Amino acid sequence: DVVMTQSPDSLSVSLGERATIHCKSSQSLLYSSTNKNYLAWHQQKPGQPPKLLIYWASARESGVPDRFSGSGSGTDFTLTISSLQAEDVAVYYCQQYYSSPFTFGQGTKLEIK
Amino acid sequence: QVRLQESGRGLVKPSETLSLTCTVSGGSISTYYWSWIRQPPGKGLEWIGYVYNNGKTDYNPSLNSRVTISADTAKNQFSLSLSSVTAADTAMYYCARSGFVFDNWGQGILVTVSS
Repeated sequence: DVVMTQSPDSLSVSLGERATIHCKSSQSLLYSSTNKNYLAWHQQKPGQPPKLLIYWASARESGVPDRFSGSGSGTDFTLTISSLQAEDVAVYYCQQYYSSPFTFGQGTKLEIK
Repeated sequence: QVRLQESGRGLVKPSETLSLTCTVSGGSISTYYWSWIRQPPGKGLEWIGYVYNNGKTDYNPSLNSRVTISADTAKNQFSLSLSSVTAADTAMYYCARSGFVFDNWGQGILVTVSS
């Protein structure tokens, strides 16, 4: 199985400041024939199901604010929120879809400082 | 916009079989892959498996011997069966649409395993 490891486990950021979450996979998620990274980011607010934010490591899902961005390639990836808003309080999960079984990181809890 | 809704018993006894159904509206299950994912209380997400239109399935090896996922295209539903449950199977169970990624999720159903 591909192991996904996120850091930090929790993060406290002031409103309007930048938040950065890291995700590392135990093997490369870059598929050579497509030149795409099979990595997604999901946001889960309290009491809600997860919501897809980013796929192909950096493609923003329709309707997701442009303050959310994804970057990275191979085994190291980053989710950045450029200017934290109150509604961004959530747990964020990275997830690989390179190979079955599809696996998630342990989650990063983002709070307001 | 496709919508997914889980249904089934919220309380299952140990050693029994957990059975859930996901009803899809706003789109046909004849396309895409359709997955089940679970989340124990206060913990992270675990992919259980998927079914595709032609009946193709893939399961997480951690649950493989106990899981069956099937699709009913006439009802636009897909189902999860998990046998021989224990307290460790207590979780929120989500159904989700997956092309490559899980881009649409149901609201989830909490299943508790207890006598």
